[in-house]
Amino acid sequence: KQEVTQIPAALSVPEGENLVLNCSFTDSAIYNLQWFRQDPGKGLTSLLLIQSSQREQTSGRLNASLDKSSGRSTLYIAASQPGDSATYLCAVRSQTGANNLFFGTGTRLTVIP
Amino acid sequence: EAGVAQSPRYKIIEKRQSVAFWCNPISGHATLYWYQQILGQGPKLLIQFQNNGVVDDSQLPKDRFSAERLKGVDSTLKIQPAKLEDSAVYLCASSIFKRVIAPTMPNEQFFGPGTRLTVL
Repeated sequence: KQEVTQIPAALSVPEGENLVLNCSFTDSAIYNLQWFRQDPGKGLTSLLLIQSSQREQTSGRLNASLDKSSGRSTLYIAASQPGDSATYLCAVRSQTGANNLFFGTGTRLTVIP
Repeated sequence: EAGVAQSPRYKIIEKRQSVAFWCNPISGHATLYWYQQILGQGPKLLIQFQNNGVVDDSQLPKDRFSAERLKGVDSTLKIQPAKLEDSAVYLCASSIFKRVIAPTMPNEQFFGPGTRLTVL
């Protein structure tokens, strides 16, 4: 069974810092990996999706990398802003099962002004 | 384009009571998912529908949870009777059905705002 782990569970950084969030998964047989953002009391917003054949994806200040063979992904946030404060979730779409997403427990990020 | 709608947004009940949640997916999305997210954890899939048929309900506690999508559009998730450990956010998501021909087909899921359930 696919298991997804995120480290650290919580992170506080001063505004302007660059930071890295980590995600690891146990079964490398995946279609893709997705990073989501979740604000308190709200649903999930998709940030980046990396296909299994890709190594990274970029959107604005966000860059996600994927090393499928080692079961790892990182989300890099450049020049952090207070508005980046949220919980970041990593999810993998396993090849076993119809489009099922397996989520990590998330990293709660606080950017201090 | 309207997103996934869910109601109610919040619900507080006592244990052993019943509760129902409603989800309206994005128009044209054939696949609908219900997830349970316990505080401090990631969402866990409860059930997946393809139109009005169940694709995967392997993690649905069937002794107390039930879900239906009778006309292949809206869906309801019911808990009867509720337990304290059912306190969680219940998320609904939908996606366009694409038969997976190649391993890189995205089938992106779009999530609703969730229903926060508190069982006292």
